[in-house]
Amino acid sequence: ETGVTQTPRHLVMGMTNKKSLKCEQHLGHNAMYWYKQSAKKPLELMFVYNFKEQTENNSVPSRFSPECPNSSHLFLHLHTLQPEDSALYLCASSQEPGYGEKLFFGSGTQLSVL
Amino acid sequence: EDQVTQSPEALRLQEGESSSLNCSYTVSGLRGLFWYRQDPGKGPEFLFTLYSAGEEKEKERLKATLTKKESFLHITAPKPEDSATYLCAVQAGGNEKLTFGTGTRLTIIP
Repeated sequence: ETGVTQTPRHLVMGMTNKKSLKCEQHLGHNAMYWYKQSAKKPLELMFVYNFKEQTENNSVPSRFSPECPNSSHLFLHLHTLQPEDSALYLCASSQEPGYGEKLFFGSGTQLSVL
Repeated sequence: EDQVTQSPEALRLQEGESSSLNCSYTVSGLRGLFWYRQDPGKGPEFLFTLYSAGEEKEKERLKATLTKKESFLHITAPKPEDSATYLCAVQAGGNEKLTFGTGTRLTIIP
């Protein structure tokens, strides 16, 4: 496999469920990101990991919990979500965060919270 | 606070009809301006990075230009496969975070 792979592609969950999103990058990059994309809103940065260390938490509610066990894998653990959390969740990677770094995105997980 | 505004929100063109997409930005110390293309059901795909006013980059039918206040993505003689949402983002000095616009949804009609 090449690039950035996200699973699952679609997820429907109730407000009391616990689920996890998975991201894997095969590019040898050192930085990984979670973004949220809602209809008619800009892409919203949630978390940044650089060399497995979290370097940014963009005021994200605690019902979203990231985990980065190594530079190739990133998880987003979800619990007690709200309907307004329904969105496309995108994982991205780059060589490292910094000047002019382009991002490589996965295809995303389309999340629906009922 | 960094801001990015893209216009128009949506654009429909006939195949072969050239046009431009606009990205206006307000940022304290631009480090880079990025253009991405996003197809339905997929994540954004990187197109260009521009670093300073006057810079231009080209790829096939697309050409990106940059001034001190805005960037244009010119599309020449577009084809239906150019249909996508085009996203603009800026990176400010001293900040690794990208600020994205809401995108322009481009539709090319055969």
